[in-house]
Amino acid sequence: GAVVSQHPSWVICKSGTSVKIECRSLDFQATTMFWYRQFPKQSLMLMATSNEGSKATYEQGVEKDKFLINHASLTLSTLTVTSAHPEDSSFYICSARDQASTDTQYFGPGTRLTVL
Amino acid sequence: SQQGEEDPQALSIQEGENATMNCSYKTSINNLQWYRQNSGRGLVHLILIRSNEREKHSGRLRVTLDTSKKSSSLLITASRAADTASYFCATDGSGDKIIFGKGTRLHILP
Repeated sequence: GAVVSQHPSWVICKSGTSVKIECRSLDFQATTMFWYRQFPKQSLMLMATSNEGSKATYEQGVEKDKFLINHASLTLSTLTVTSAHPEDSSFYICSARDQASTDTQYFGPGTRLTVL
Repeated sequence: SQQGEEDPQALSIQEGENATMNCSYKTSINNLQWYRQNSGRGLVHLILIRSNEREKHSGRLRVTLDTSKKSSSLLITASRAADTASYFCATDGSGDKIIFGKGTRLHILP
């Protein structure tokens, strides 16, 4: 099946620094990718929809200036957590919709972010 | 925003028993999916059921969908220790977006 990768799989950073997380669709093209955040023992919360070649659409309550999303190609979306704080520590998961099959979204393995 | 609500929130059963988890959602959907997530890991897609389907099987999994009640159930038969995980339903009620329910934490006791 189709594969979505995320890099890095985990990252530890100091408070105040910025962290970039990559999401790649490895064998299909994705005009739309999605970013989720998951706190411990909670569900996945959709943060934003990343559209190739245009601005991301953010869910209510998600700060667009803090969570910068760039979808520069049909196989790559990046999420940058700017000026990270301990409360941003979470599991970040992306998904990508195969543009050849509107029903199908594939999820990445997630990135564990720990902000000290 | 959360679309689905699973119940129970947590479930512990003996190995070999059947486990049933329910999901309710709020808006109209095209399809509903169930995912499994082991602790600290990524999602594993289990099954997709379309809005015009009422029941679907995959191995030991049985999913039902009642669009009139806006609810779905996931049945795992003959549970195994390896089934211990969190299970989420997810719906596409908001266009492209997949929105997840709160999940059920399933624990299979040896």
